[in-house]
Amino acid sequence: TQLLEQSPQFLSIQEGENLTVYCNSSSVFSSLQWYRQEPGEGPVLLVTVVTGGEVKKLKRLTFQFGDARKDSSLHITAAQPGDTGLYLCAGAVGSQGNLIFGKGTKLSVKP
Amino acid sequence: NAGVTQTPKFRVLKTGQSMTLLCAQDMNHEYMYWYRQDPGMGLRLIHYSVGEGTTAKGEVPDGYNVSRLKKQNFLLGLESAAPSQTSVYFCASTQALLSGNTIYFGEGSWLTVV
Repeated sequence: TQLLEQSPQFLSIQEGENLTVYCNSSSVFSSLQWYRQEPGEGPVLLVTVVTGGEVKKLKRLTFQFGDARKDSSLHITAAQPGDTGLYLCAGAVGSQGNLIFGKGTKLSVKP
Repeated sequence: NAGVTQTPKFRVLKTGQSMTLLCAQDMNHEYMYWYRQDPGMGLRLIHYSVGEGTTAKGEVPDGYNVSRLKKQNFLLGLESAAPSQTSVYFCASTQALLSGNTIYFGEGSWLTVV
């Protein structure tokens, strides 16, 4: 059974602070995605990383895929209240189509 | 959430009743998924399909059945609903699990079993 462990589960910070969310597994993934979900809505894909060591940036968000493709991190610089939401990582196993999710990190950014 | 439509959006069932959730996508995607989301549990994969006529079990398949008779539709069935199946159900679709391919989620279906 593949498991994706996300940490921290909850994070409450002030506007302007930096933060990092981690996604770890003992399994190797062919690709890993990060999503953001608002209450009452479905998750929205932020980024997909596929190469070990890959780093992608999306404005103030930086995503990194571990060299062994077992872990990933999401770093937010100068967080804003609009970043508040549930952040989810999801890993794809080979080409089987199996896409599993971590439990999520609930982020609250206070003005 | 362009292109993925779930029906119904809300439903209340009595224990033992059956129902079907419909997921429809108009993007000609090969891969379709059904997840359930419970507080503190993230999204858990119930069943998925990598193409018309194919289905596979995910993490929590017990109590559910699925069918993919048409490429654009993925049906999730509950034959005999139980209170433990009270949850929010999300459908998703994508062309392939590759970088550059977006995975689209539906808006969710809220199911309560009493």
